Amino acid sequence: EIVLTQSPSTLSLSPGERATLSCRASQSVDSAYLSWYQQKPGQAPSLVIYGTSSRATGIPDRFSGSGSGTDFTLTISRLEPEDFAVYYCQQYDNSFTFGPGTKVDI
Amino acid sequence: QVQLVQSGNEVREPGASLKVSCKTSGYSFMNYGITWVRQAPGQGLQWVAWINPYNGKTLFGQTFQGRVSVTTDSNTNTAYMEFLSLTSDDTATYYCARGPYCSGPSCFYFYMGVWGKGTTVTVSS
Repeated sequence: EIVLTQSPSTLSLSPGERATLSCRASQSVDSAYLSWYQQKPGQAPSLVIYGTSSRATGIPDRFSGSGSGTDFTLTISRLEPEDFAVYYCQQYDNSFTFGPGTKVDI
Repeated sequence: QVQLVQSGNEVREPGASLKVSCKTSGYSFMNYGITWVRQAPGQGLQWVAWINPYNGKTLFGQTFQGRVSVTTDSNTNTAYMEFLSLTSDDTATYYCARGPYCSGPSCFYFYMGVWGKGTTVTVSS
């Protein structure tokens, strides 16, 4: 089973700043199967990025994803107040696994 | 629009079983798998299982093999997750989600694009 590690666990930033979130896999992940989700308190997760770099419907272009192999990154270019949340990466390799999450807070 | 509506919150005693439903609408039910994910209080996301409604093929997370079953009813476009022998460690919010995309028996795009609001399960004596 592929294990995902996310860093940092908490990212303290201000609106307008750039956020860079890292997701590292214990072995190589097919780029088509690496996704990112956003979860706000009391809400279900929602899809942000799929296939490493494709934005989900309705996701603004300040969100971007990149990476390959074992290292993947979610970047939020200029944080808006509604972006403060927990972000999870997820991969599929005959089973799904999620990373432990990165909390982006003020 | 695409909707996944889950059954209400539940309380069970240790050792009991539980069945959670996920009624879908707004899309072709047979064209997407249903994935189940749980989240213990204050914790991260944990994959439970997924099912392809086309042929009933299932896949389970290692922790849940043998203790969870997932099924679908194409007449009502509803998915079900049944948990056996609940323990306090099963206290969590359980989400159903649409995905992956499936064309008959073959599935692709292994991500979850639409999620239900969650069913909170409390296991306590």
